[in-house]
Amino acid sequence: DQQVKQNSPSLSVQEGRISILNCDYTNSMFDYFLWYKKYPAEGPTFLISISSIKDKNEDGRFTVFLNKSAKHLSLHIVPSQPGDSAVYFCAASAINQGGKLIFGQGTELSVKP
Amino acid sequence: EAQVTQNPRYLITVTGKKLTVTCSQNMNHEYMSWYRQDPGLGLRQIYYSMNVEVTDKGDVPEGYKVSRKEKRNFPLILESPSPNQTSLYFCASRAAGPRGEQFFGPGTRLTVL
Repeated sequence: DQQVKQNSPSLSVQEGRISILNCDYTNSMFDYFLWYKKYPAEGPTFLISISSIKDKNEDGRFTVFLNKSAKHLSLHIVPSQPGDSAVYFCAASAINQGGKLIFGQGTELSVKP
Repeated sequence: EAQVTQNPRYLITVTGKKLTVTCSQNMNHEYMSWYRQDPGLGLRQIYYSMNVEVTDKGDVPEGYKVSRKEKRNFPLILESPSPNQTSLYFCASRAAGPRGEQFFGPGTRLTVL
């Protein structure tokens, strides 16, 4: 039972354009959502997060949007740069589960010059 | 430098030969986890530990053991590895509390023949 789903295994975007990565979840108890970025031969690194009391959080070129009614979140990268090429994992947690992170399958983003 | 280290980074072994993957963190974190990453499945938690001598099963614990005798170390033990344990393994740590940022190690690529 995949509680966090990233239905697009890959995404290709031109440099300078917007990248939109999507994530859906099924557990209504999730109240905190995160995006991690992973380069080859490295561990995932934290990118940005959002609490369920918000619908948007922005950090530089990265913005995460949360639609609780649709149980959907998205990560926008504007403008996309070749160095953004990586695998992006969406993750969710519930405070009543001790903050255990449940990860999606990942989306591989390729930003072409 | 704050970090999570894992050793070895790469390992090829044969079915049934016991092995240990070490994990160490220098951030005095209470919470440590082991994940495996498989294509199409994302990151799945194997075991976690809330503190010294406190460990519990994650989502895919079968075939694995862990121990937490010291706060900084959290080794993953495969008593009798099988080919279905061929995977990319990540150790992670975070501070206590459900919202602490999780830091990942660089990964261990394990192949069981």
